[in-house]
Amino acid sequence: DAKTTQPTSMDCAEGRAANLPCNHSTISGNEYVYWYRQIHSQGPQYIIHGLKNNETNEMASLIITEDRKSSTLILPHATLRDTAVYYCIVRVGTGNQFYFGTGTSLTVIP
Amino acid sequence: EAGVTQFPSHSVIEKGQTVTLRCDPISGHDNLYWYRRVMGKEIKFLLHFVKESKQDESGMPNNRFLAERTGGTYSTLKVQPAELEDSGVYFCASSQVGGFLTGELFFGEGSRLTVL
Repeated sequence: DAKTTQPTSMDCAEGRAANLPCNHSTISGNEYVYWYRQIHSQGPQYIIHGLKNNETNEMASLIITEDRKSSTLILPHATLRDTAVYYCIVRVGTGNQFYFGTGTSLTVIP
Repeated sequence: EAGVTQFPSHSVIEKGQTVTLRCDPISGHDNLYWYRRVMGKEIKFLLHFVKESKQDESGMPNNRFLAERTGGTYSTLKVQPAELEDSGVYFCASSQVGGFLTGELFFGEGSRLTVL
């Protein structure tokens, strides 16, 4: 069901930028891209979302390609607490039904 | 402000028994959702309430699952009778804005269900 493709796992050195890619080649014009993360056994946590323009908030930046077929989540200065599974989600429909997929397991290394 | 709270955090029951999970959304959030992750699988949507009405229940696996949201405040998810494959973590989420221009979902910590 998931409409996104992400690498299974990634490592990042503490203090460096973490760049998490996501492919969503079948995205339609009115579908938003969302990023959530799940730290250990906690509930998923919203990070950021966007439609076609790049977005930035206090947690991260979201870069969406011009054709919208892929995006990259950027954590500018990764810390050990950013170790989590990161989910790239294309929202389906209007009822907030998210397909989480398998996500990318990010490990921040000291 | 309190976040989404779920109870119990962990429930262990035997096959055939009944369990009721409760979710208290963030105050003022009309939208309430249930998701679950069963063993080794992805997080899957179960259903979506707008106030007390079921907006979308397409993810409910079968008629052993019953979700209610009386009065449009807290919600319960009952599993009766529970089967082994129901084991997993059940997440509740709420949001202020539904529909097309939605914002973020706020998830609770989840209720872990173990069916023996």
